[in-house]
Amino acid sequence: DQQVKQNSPSLSVQEGRISILNCDYTNSMFDYFLWYKKYPAEGPTFLISISSIKDKNEDGRFTVFLNKSAKHLSLHIVPSQPGDSAVYFCAASVYIWASNYQLIWGAGTKLIIKP
Amino acid sequence: ETGVTQSPTHLIKTRGQQVTLRCSSQSGHNTVSWYQQALGQGPQFIFQYYREEENGRGNFPPRFSGLQFPNYSSELNVNALELDDSALYLCASSFRTSVLGETQYFGPGTRLLVL
Repeated sequence: DQQVKQNSPSLSVQEGRISILNCDYTNSMFDYFLWYKKYPAEGPTFLISISSIKDKNEDGRFTVFLNKSAKHLSLHIVPSQPGDSAVYFCAASVYIWASNYQLIWGAGTKLIIKP
Repeated sequence: ETGVTQSPTHLIKTRGQQVTLRCSSQSGHNTVSWYQQALGQGPQFIFQYYREEENGRGNFPPRFSGLQFPNYSSELNVNALELDDSALYLCASSFRTSVLGETQYFGPGTRLLVL
């Protein structure tokens, strides 16, 4: 039972264009979402996050949009650069107990930026 | 500021053996979470430690255990290794606050192969 789904295993985008990575979730109790980037042989690197009280958060070339009614979020990268080629994970934070939060992860989308 | 470090980077064990993986938290962080990432999947939450106590656990059997030390470093121990335990083990540190959704910062991981 996947609570966080990234339905595209891979995405290929031309350098300079916009990359849009999508993520769907099923649990309406999720209230904080994060995107991580992962290169081979490295741990995930935090990119950007969004709280459920917002519908958009921007940080440089990265923007995350949250549509709570559709239980959908997306990460936009503009413009895409060769160094953006990596696996991108969407994660949702869920409250367990006593201020303890667990991350529930999607399976990842491999982004390939073509020169 | 020192990031999250893990040791060893790679490890080969045989079925039935025991293994200990180590993690040093990022400076100033008081919470450590451990994840297992199988090939082609997102990380799966194993457990979390806060102030030297286990503070949440995912769907992993008791042969997965851990420790957190006063300096907030941590160990993951796995007993009676099985072939399916072969995976990348990720450690993440964060600073526990009362604010919803804490951002976790990851180490490079330990690649475990069980033969």
